[in-house]
Amino acid sequence: DIQMTQSPASLSASLGETVTIECRASEDIYNGLAWYQQKPGKSPQLLIYNANSLHTGVPSRFSGSGSGTQYSLKINSLQSEDVASYFCQQYYDYPYTFGAGTKLELK
Amino acid sequence: QVQLQQSGTELVKPASSVKISCKASGYTFTSNYMHWIRQQPGNGLEWIGWIYPGNGNTKYNQKFDGKATLTADKSSSTAYMQLSSLTSEDSAVYFCARKYFDYWGQGVMVTVSS
Repeated sequence: DIQMTQSPASLSASLGETVTIECRASEDIYNGLAWYQQKPGKSPQLLIYNANSLHTGVPSRFSGSGSGTQYSLKINSLQSEDVASYFCQQYYDYPYTFGAGTKLELK
Repeated sequence: QVQLQQSGTELVKPASSVKISCKASGYTFTSNYMHWIRQQPGNGLEWIGWIYPGNGNTKYNQKFDGKATLTADKSSSTAYMQLSSLTSEDSAVYFCARKYFDYWGQGVMVTVSS
């Protein structure tokens, strides 16, 4: 199975700040990567697919980048509604696997 | 609009089975894979498998072989997942999600307890 190592596990940032979350795959996943946001008691919501494509309706302050085994999610100008957990997922190979998540809080 | 409506909370006994549902609306059910995902308390997400309702084809995460069985009813646009031989380790929230994980159900909490 492809292992997805996500960092950091938790993150504290101020409103208006830019934050970056990283995800490393155990092998090349050829941009088969998605990012999700999950708020407590809710289902995950798709933010980014194919490593860098913004899902419909997602604010443009979210962006994804990377290639090969290294990927990142950037949130520009952090808003209060961005407080959530974030997960990466590879769908290049079966079984699809997720990172362990990053919990983003306000400082 | 696309909606995936899942069945309600389940409290089940060890060694029993449970069948949870995911009713789709707002799109062509038979033309889109349906994924199932598990989230254990405080833990991350695990992909269980998918079913293609158009022909019933399935693909499982080997970890869930023998644990989960995916089916679909085209007449009611509903996907099902049966979990068998339940233990406390199966206590989790189970989600369904459409083909590209762009729409998710609200999740079903399954608690296994005697």
